[in-house]
Amino acid sequence: AAGVIQSPRHLIKEKRETATLKCYPIPRHDTVYWYQQGPGQDPQFLISFYEKMQSDKGSIPDRFSAQQFSDYHSELNMSSLELGDSALYFCASSLGLLAGYNEQFFGPGTRLTVL
Amino acid sequence: QQPVQSPQAVILREGEDAVINCSSSKALYSVHWYRQKHGEAPVFLMILLKGGEQKGHEKISASFNEKKQQSSLYLTASQLSYSGTYFCGTASLGNEKLTFGTGTRLTIIP
Repeated sequence: AAGVIQSPRHLIKEKRETATLKCYPIPRHDTVYWYQQGPGQDPQFLISFYEKMQSDKGSIPDRFSAQQFSDYHSELNMSSLELGDSALYFCASSLGLLAGYNEQFFGPGTRLTVL
Repeated sequence: QQPVQSPQAVILREGEDAVINCSSSKALYSVHWYRQKHGEAPVFLMILLKGGEQKGHEKISASFNEKKQQSSLYLTASQLSYSGTYFCGTASLGNEKLTFGTGTRLTIIP
């Protein structure tokens, strides 16, 4: 079965650079979630999109932005990178708007390292 | 705000049982359970949608006490493959996003 695809899998950037992470949800899934997970921590919700519209917002810094495109893939744009942005970034997808009712399937993640 | 899980960590011998608890200060309408191995993505285990609901998945089952705002995950006759960090994710009315718990690290030894 098709799973969530994320690219790139690993990314190394310098401070103050920009990064773009991509997420391709499971076919027919209309909702995408972005999470940030630091070492030894739980996934922290950043932002979600349903049918190409932002549906919820969590602890996403103003330096970050995201969008969902017509083909339902999503991109997380990160600017003015800081050392503290180093983390695993997961994308998850589900079918339906309400996060509480629908199981989320996670992609393999993008490991971002900021030097 | 974040659901609290207990215990924080547990070590079991293969074949032993474990219970992982998830407690929230908010009224919940659903609880999700995930298992995550180091460096990998969280894997969905099950979702409980209403108070008193219990579900099973092979030798892993869970219950949801809506009144107490708690959920428990039961692992019976644990296998080596059960090792990992277990997270509960909770959703409450008016706060639809999943909030993950503090995590429980489970280690199964032969």
